[in-house]
Amino acid sequence: GQQLNQSPQSMFIQEGEDVSMNCTSSSIFNTWLWYKQDPGEGPVLLIALYKAGELTSNGRLTAQFGITRKDSFLNISASIPSDVGIYFCAGSLLTGAGSYQLTFGKGTKLSVIP
Amino acid sequence: DGGITQSPKYLFRKEGQNVTLSCEQNLNHDAMYWYRQDPGQGLRLIYYSQIVNDFQKGDIAEGYSVSREKKESFPLTVTSAQKNPTAFYLCASSILPTNTGELFFGEGSRLTVL
Repeated sequence: GQQLNQSPQSMFIQEGEDVSMNCTSSSIFNTWLWYKQDPGEGPVLLIALYKAGELTSNGRLTAQFGITRKDSFLNISASIPSDVGIYFCAGSLLTGAGSYQLTFGKGTKLSVIP
Repeated sequence: DGGITQSPKYLFRKEGQNVTLSCEQNLNHDAMYWYRQDPGQGLRLIYYSQIVNDFQKGDIAEGYSVSREKKESFPLTVTSAQKNPTAFYLCASSILPTNTGELFFGEGSRLTVL
């Protein structure tokens, strides 16, 4: 099956710093998505990207769908303590009969030092 | 408010026992999913259902069973055949037809086998 390489696996940053994480794949995707999981909770969708080259922002978050359709990055500006959690990338590929296959990265665990 | 409810939040089971995790949604979504999460492993798909009375195996279906008798409900049974059942289980739903991979997750159920 398809695999996503998400990096870094974990990171410790000072409050106020910017954060960058990315996902790469050997396969192309139709959609890239970024989810955040707070400790002990289910993931929540942050940003969805639908077109190659698309750059989308959601508050302090910015994500881009790579031109090759094989990668995506997520940036968080001016980090705050509530940014702590695990960030997952996911790639969606349209298959036959209108269904899609969703593949998740292994996550980036973010810790923010006040 | 609409959402997905998983229960119980925490569950302990002895080896050799079957256990059923509940998942209910009132979002009127057609598709429902079960994922397993292990530390550092990301999310792995167990089963999914796109319509009532129909479901498909995911990547790690062995030792699990599901049913979809109602649109709102998608319970997961972890059977005694599952060799390593201790994990965090996440239920999700999505609108169909869609090719975007936008999932709504429940808060998860943590199963510990003693």
